Amino acid sequence: DAGVTQSPTHLIKTRGQQVTLRCSPKSGHDTVSWYQQALGQGPQFIFQYYEEEERQRGNFPDRFSGHQFPNYSSELNVNALLLGDSALYLCASSLGTDTDTQYFGPGTRLTVL
Amino acid sequence: AQSVTQLGSHVSVSEGALVLLRCNYSSSVPPYLFWYVQYPNQGLQLLLKYTSAATLVKGINGFEAEFKKSETSFHLTKPSAHMSDAAEYFCAVSDPGGYQKVTFGTGTKLQVIP
Repeated sequence: DAGVTQSPTHLIKTRGQQVTLRCSPKSGHDTVSWYQQALGQGPQFIFQYYEEEERQRGNFPDRFSGHQFPNYSSELNVNALLLGDSALYLCASSLGTDTDTQYFGPGTRLTVL
Repeated sequence: AQSVTQLGSHVSVSEGALVLLRCNYSSSVPPYLFWYVQYPNQGLQLLLKYTSAATLVKGINGFEAEFKKSETSFHLTKPSAHMSDAAEYFCAVSDPGGYQKVTFGTGTKLQVIP
């Protein structure tokens, strides 16, 4: 049983560029949440997708957008990258609308130069 | 809005000693509470969760936590530390119900000294 997978593992971009990160949820899960974890900090909630719709959003600007596909996989897009966007981006999946049991992927390390 | 505060960004214990990681929460409604562990260069793994059932929650790897409403606390304990427990631990809170976002603390890095 595959767990949550994320790609790519690492990514280096320059300021102003755009980036797309990908997540495949754990088998049987239909809800995907995205988190940003800056160095030395706890994860911060970006948004959650269920049934291909954004259900909840944290305090992140519109430069952060997402999408969920019919197979429940998800993408996180960040436009106009800033140095401060450098972080570990974590994807978590769960079943249904309850997030009391989330499974996290290993993350994508984004470095913005 | 809910929040958690983790007291102590770094905690060191000797192998075999008691592990105590502190977490206090703030929430306007009875919360769901969680402890996650993160090993270097890995994602987070759920250790245990409180979702308004028993106040003493047992998790994986011998960890447990007690929900104390009067103290707004949810401290994580383990009677005897192992070297493999060295990792970063995050306390988290959410409102109950669907579509709820999870808010994490800033983490406590646990060092186990042989």
